[in-house]
Amino acid sequence: GDSVTQMEGPVTLSEEAFLTINCTYTATGYPSLFWYVQYPGEGLQLLLKATKADDKGSNKGFEATYRKETTSFHLEKGSVQVSDSAVYFCALNGIAGGTSYGKLTFGQGTILTVHP
Amino acid sequence: KAGVTQTPRYLIKTRGQQVTLSCSPISGHRSVSWYQQTPGQGLQFLFEYFSETQRNKGNFPGRFSGRQFSNSRSEMNVSTLELGDSALYLCASSLPDRATEAFFGQGTRLTVV
Repeated sequence: GDSVTQMEGPVTLSEEAFLTINCTYTATGYPSLFWYVQYPGEGLQLLLKATKADDKGSNKGFEATYRKETTSFHLEKGSVQVSDSAVYFCALNGIAGGTSYGKLTFGQGTILTVHP
Repeated sequence: KAGVTQTPRYLIKTRGQQVTLSCSPISGHRSVSWYQQTPGQGLQFLFEYFSETQRNKGNFPGRFSGRQFSNSRSEMNVSTLELGDSALYLCASSLPDRATEAFFGQGTRLTVV
């Protein structure tokens, strides 16, 4: 079945540091890939997405590129801020019988803490 | 455009009781999915409904059930609650296309005592 593996956390950085959160996946065919963010006491918010190989998703300074050859979708940001402190989830929406069934498979989440 | 609305936000129930959670999707979204979030297991898919039909189901016992109404609103029910059912239950709505994102509600925090 589908699976997503995120780098072990938590991650602690100083403000303006470079961020990378690794994400690799296992799925048949060409899944769509997502990064979601969860702030304390909130639901999940979509951060960015990519739907085919070599697509780059970007939003609020965050970027991730869909790498089919390495089955990866690593999240990067050049300069993090205190307000980026949250839990980040990598997810995929696979294909079952050629039709989406609205099922997201999530990684375990990475807690990011950014200090001033 | 209103987002996904889940009610109630918090619930405290006693072991053995049953509970019903509600989810109102974004207008026009006919697919509604439910997830359970716990510190130990992370985010796990419960089930997905589209046009009042359950299309996919995760690996949860039969105590977990759901339904969807003609206006796309959805409910999930957990019967004979166990302590391990304590979790954040998240509902998401989306268009029926794997390339579009799911929009999540703020969740219902269920505590079983």
